[in-house]
Amino acid sequence: DTAVSQTPKYLVTQMGNDKSIKCEQNLGHDTMYWYKQDSKKFLKIMFSYNNKELIINETVPNRFSPKSPDKAHLNLHINSLELGDSAVYFCASSQDLDGSKYFGPGTRLLVL
Amino acid sequence: DQQVKQNSPSLSVQEGRISILNCDYTNSMFDYFLWYKKYPAEGPTFLISISSIKDKNEDGRFTVFLNKSAKHLSLHIVPSQPGDSAVYFCAASALGNTDKLIFGTGTRLQVFP
Repeated sequence: DTAVSQTPKYLVTQMGNDKSIKCEQNLGHDTMYWYKQDSKKFLKIMFSYNNKELIINETVPNRFSPKSPDKAHLNLHINSLELGDSAVYFCASSQDLDGSKYFGPGTRLLVL
Repeated sequence: DQQVKQNSPSLSVQEGRISILNCDYTNSMFDYFLWYKKYPAEGPTFLISISSIKDKNEDGRFTVFLNKSAKHLSLHIVPSQPGDSAVYFCAASALGNTDKLIFGTGTRLQVFP
């Protein structure tokens, strides 16, 4: 059983397009996250949601809009894609206060 | 501003020997540290953690050491196995704010026979 799943795994698109990435977790966790891993391999938090409420928004351009329809899902919509948005986007979830997170396999976004 | 640094991008170790992965941090507010392991085309997987009230935490073949005065932690894997070949990320947070983990850039470990 996949704990944290993301779709699509790969996304190639043109500048200016709008795209969405979906994430689902079947672990019953209350908190979900989006992380971005850029070309320099930095893995940085973008957003976190707890029970569908936005908790962290790390100075991400407002072209990025997360949406959590329920606590098992956290989707990421990106408007007007730019070249610099090319990265691997990881969804994650957690429940424990120890900070350990379960990550999805990542979505590799390439903006041409 | 890179608050968590892994200065060795790669490490190669023979099977059966010890692997030592290092991590330095600059923010003195960090008091909780984690190691994640990542295989290609997969997300990071939690490996082991340590809080600042300890200087060592052990889990099977994996031990994490914390030197608060030096702002340094290390992950020891002994004995190393080929299946340990992966990228290892160090991460840090302040207790009470574990939602916001700051990650290092990773060290690629290769364990050869």
